[in-house]
Amino acid sequence: AQTVTQSQPEMSVQEAETVTLSCTYDTSESDYYLFWYKQPPSRQMILVIRQEAYKQQNATENRFSVNFQKAAKSFSLKISDSQLGDAAMYFCAYRRMEYGNKLVFGAGTILRVKS
Amino acid sequence: GAVVSQHPSRVICKSGTSVKIECRSLDFQATTMFWYRQFPKQSLMLMATSNEGSKATYEQGVEKDKFLINHASLTLSTLTVTSAHPEDSSFYICSAAKMREGDYEQYFGPGTRLTVT
Repeated sequence: AQTVTQSQPEMSVQEAETVTLSCTYDTSESDYYLFWYKQPPSRQMILVIRQEAYKQQNATENRFSVNFQKAAKSFSLKISDSQLGDAAMYFCAYRRMEYGNKLVFGAGTILRVKS
Repeated sequence: GAVVSQHPSRVICKSGTSVKIECRSLDFQATTMFWYRQFPKQSLMLMATSNEGSKATYEQGVEKDKFLINHASLTLSTLTVTSAHPEDSSFYICSAAKMREGDYEQYFGPGTRLTVT
């Protein structure tokens, strides 16, 4: 079974600084998807970024980028120029490729942004 | 866009009663929907995968007779918590799968907070 591990229960970052959230996963599949989701206090899940395992290029979305190391099964999220609105719980998730497959979530990392 | 709604957003019910939560995909059709449960400051726990027109697939440890899931149309799935007890109090989130660039993406509803007194 696939597992996703987020080893940082909480992280803090100063506004305008950069922070990196860690995620490792375990799978025997060669093709799959990885995701970072944000859950703010409203508890609405928001997709931050998505990475296809067969793509070597790291995904980026504005201030958000990932460092995808397939051999090491590592998928970290870097948030640049942190803003107060980035404060949330962040979940790393894994999914197999076929339609209808479920997301496997990590335990989450609470990100606090200091002004 | 891809919007998923849930109703109600909050519900309080008495122990022993049943409560139904609706999940709707508003602007797309979803063959597959998912139901999650989340405790405070914890991760989402998948309860079941709901496929339109067929029986839901429950995760290990989830009581299918207690958490009834019906996916009667391509835009609506319902979760009924039967004979609710205080330990069923939780935050319930649904998501709906929408096809995207040859794959699919899960879009999440805003969640329903259930309190059983």
